[in-house]
Amino acid sequence: AQKITQTQPGMFVQEKEAVTLDCTYDTSDPSYGLFWYKQPSSGEMIFLIYQGSYDQQNATEGRYSLNFQKARKSANLVISASQLGDSAMYFCAMREGAGGYQKVTFGTGTKLQVIP
Amino acid sequence: NAGVMQNPRHLVRRRGQEARLRCSPMKGHSHVYWYRQLPEEGLKFMVYLQKENIIDESGMPKERFSAEFPKEGPSILRIQQVVRGDSAAYFCASSPGLGRANEQYFGPGTRLTVT
Repeated sequence: AQKITQTQPGMFVQEKEAVTLDCTYDTSDPSYGLFWYKQPSSGEMIFLIYQGSYDQQNATEGRYSLNFQKARKSANLVISASQLGDSAMYFCAMREGAGGYQKVTFGTGTKLQVIP
Repeated sequence: NAGVMQNPRHLVRRRGQEARLRCSPMKGHSHVYWYRQLPEEGLKFMVYLQKENIIDESGMPKERFSAEFPKEGPSILRIQQVVRGDSAAYFCASSPGLGRANEQYFGPGTRLTVT
């Protein structure tokens, strides 16, 4: 079974609109964390946001927020007020375990294109 | 404070040659992860190293691939006798230590092309 599932291979959004990128995860570990990374066409991996499984509130970083629904095992990324520079691949990832060794698993990504 | 550095950024090798990819972690980081990204795919975990110690190599192909992180110097991912299927982007990430995987910082990647 896939540990991280991103069901949207590609998404379009109008500039200045908000967009939600979906991510569901599968783990039996009570302690885990969820990340989103952005990969522009230049190829580097840019960390956007992190949510721990015990965090009470949804994580926010500027225009990025993580809609964490623990019971549904979803961790969707919301980008508000999209900009042309947001066009990129977006990867959801999960780390499992607390303390000790933690492995990180990535999803297959969603390609976001922002339309002027 | 310099970020994670990888070199070379681009590497071209003929089939059968060896590829050596280097990763210098962020200052103060003693743990390194290597990931491979095939074209149009996400990152796949390969190996997790601490200085002088391999913690998890469950994602490494059984043959031709090896990794090390010596006491001094960068971490090295070595691919012997490369084949076309090894063409990919190889990323390394560093973290301050065990239990801090949420603090992984990625390097810019090395793009390997096997001709």
